[in-house]
Amino acid sequence: AQSVTQLGSHVSVSEGALVLLRCNYSSSVPPYLFWYVQYPNQGLQLLLKYTTGATLVKGINGFEAEFKKSETSFHLTKPSAHMSDAAEYFCAVINSGYSTLTFGKGTMLLVSP
Amino acid sequence: NAGVTQTPKFQVLKTGQSMTLQCAQDMNHNSMYWYRQDPGMGLRLIYYSASEGTTDKGEVPNGYNVSRLNKREFSLRLESAAPSQTSVYFCASSESVGPGETQYFGPGTRLLVL
Repeated sequence: AQSVTQLGSHVSVSEGALVLLRCNYSSSVPPYLFWYVQYPNQGLQLLLKYTTGATLVKGINGFEAEFKKSETSFHLTKPSAHMSDAAEYFCAVINSGYSTLTFGKGTMLLVSP
Repeated sequence: NAGVTQTPKFQVLKTGQSMTLQCAQDMNHNSMYWYRQDPGMGLRLIYYSASEGTTDKGEVPNGYNVSRLNKREFSLRLESAAPSQTSVYFCASSESVGPGETQYFGPGTRLLVL
């Protein structure tokens, strides 16, 4: 069965600092991986996704993630945090039937001035 | 283009009451999903509908039923609500099921069962 582990339920950074949110996955099939963001009292929206091809994926709002098969990781990064990045971030992996997603438990990003 | 809409936004129920959560999408998507979100648990799939006329169980289907009313609408029913069903419920849709498909989420329904 597919699973996703997000290390750290909360991550705190200062404005302008590097953002690194960790995601490790297990998958019995070639993985398709996603990062979603949830702002307070809203639904989730897609940040970026890895399907096939280039392992470095760029998303919206300056975020990017790198698929590393050898490390079974798909960590999310942003060079310089903004206050507006404060939100909860979810990593997800496609299931073995390629029909549904399995989500991680989420990481809350806190950005301080 | 409203995307995915959900009603109601907030609901309080007593244990044993029933209710239906409504979801509609205007993106002509084939596939629709219901999730629940609980603190520290992430999102868990309750049911999904790969296409009009089909529904399948997800990770946590017990206590719920669904109806794919037509291509646009996918409802979630709680027949006899329990406090354990207190949660935030999200509906989502995608063009189809498939490895690279993006799911688009509604704003959620906050349900409190007393």
